[in-house]
Amino acid sequence: GAVVSQHPSWVICKSGTSVKIECRSLDFQATTMFWYRQFPKQSLMLMATSNEGSKATYEQGVEKDKFLINHASLTLSTLTVTSAHPEDSSFYICSADLGTNSPLHFGNGTRLTVT
Amino acid sequence: RKEVEQDPGPFNVPEGATVAFNCTYSNSASQSFFWYRQDCRKEPKLLMSVYSSGNEDGRFTAQLNRASQYISLLIRDSKLSDSATYLCVARRGGSYIPTFGRGTSLIVHP
Repeated sequence: GAVVSQHPSWVICKSGTSVKIECRSLDFQATTMFWYRQFPKQSLMLMATSNEGSKATYEQGVEKDKFLINHASLTLSTLTVTSAHPEDSSFYICSADLGTNSPLHFGNGTRLTVT
Repeated sequence: RKEVEQDPGPFNVPEGATVAFNCTYSNSASQSFFWYRQDCRKEPKLLMSVYSSGNEDGRFTAQLNRASQYISLLIRDSKLSDSATYLCVARRGGSYIPTFGRGTSLIVHP
């Protein structure tokens, strides 16, 4: 099946620093990838849709200047949390889209802790 | 009203029990449906797709009722390892983003 690799699995950073999370599709090309955030005991929240070669589409309430998304190739999308704050601590998960009637394939997630 | 709704539970059942979850969707244009399983502090993993005629995978059976706009997941002979959150997903055609329910928590106890 389709494999999505997300890196790092966990990261601890200091407040004010930036963190980059990578999401790679290993055995297929993904024109579209989705970035989600999940707080403890809450549901997945879509942050943005990443499209290869174009600007990402952000959901309402998600700051595009804080959560920078780059999808420069068909196998790699990155999410950079800029000037991280403790309230950004969360579980960030990417998923790759194989098409309209296909299920999403998720990366293994990145647990971000900002101290 | 949310586009995809699930009872958050938790459903607390003994080992060996049969348990069923429903998930309703509001958009009649939804074309494809899936069930995912999410363990605590892990990413969601695809459990099964849901086909119009219903489908079964071992102890798991998924059904789709387009007239009433709901999908269901039946788990027979529950195992302790089935304890997780079960997410349902609906997709419309075109460039629409898949919509996730908030998940139903299942706890299987000895």
